[in-house]
Amino acid sequence: GEDVEQSLFLSVREGDSSVINCTYTDSSSTYLYWYKQEPGAGLQLLTYIFSNMDMKQDQRLTVLLNKKDKHLSLRIADTQTGDSAIYFCAAPSGGYNKLIFGAGTRLAVHP
Amino acid sequence: KAGVTQTPRYLIKTRGQQVTLSCSPISGHRSVSWYQQTPGQGLQFLFEYFSETQRNKGNFPGRFSGRQFSNSRSEMNVSTLELGDSALYLCASSLQTGNTGELFFGEGSRLTVL
Repeated sequence: GEDVEQSLFLSVREGDSSVINCTYTDSSSTYLYWYKQEPGAGLQLLTYIFSNMDMKQDQRLTVLLNKKDKHLSLRIADTQTGDSAIYFCAAPSGGYNKLIFGAGTRLAVHP
Repeated sequence: KAGVTQTPRYLIKTRGQQVTLSCSPISGHRSVSWYQQTPGQGLQFLFEYFSETQRNKGNFPGRFSGRQFSNSRSEMNVSTLELGDSALYLCASSLQTGNTGELFFGEGSRLTVL
């Protein structure tokens, strides 16, 4: 079945760019997702990319997809303290709303 | 538009008891999914309902069950609670049109089993 892996922690300075990486195993995944979880809250969909795309940009967010290496990344430009959260990469597995999530990358933004 | 509402937000139970969690999806959303989040296992899919039918189920024991009502509201039940059931239970709803699988999550019900 699908497996999704991501690094657990990233620390950046305010104003810098953040890059969060993710690898997945199932090459048949149609969509790949990035979700954000702030303390004490549920998950919020940040963005998603269709498997026939290499890149998707949405304001400060840029998603890059390397299908050959099964690698997905999320770049946050001009990272702010409000971006501090846990970021999850997710891929569908065996049904529309069955997502496999990575362990989450905790992003810490410091002044 | 109101978001996904989960109740209760927090609850404490003891081993052997049972618990029922409720989820009201976004108006118009007919698909409701449930996920369990723990520090050790991360986010794990429990089940998904669409039009009162369970379409998908994760790898959880039969103590975990759910249902969906005609108004798309959903409940999940955990019987004979174990310490390891302590977790944040997240409900997500979806329009289920197209194939984006975009999920809208509630804030979760945090269950502590003593």
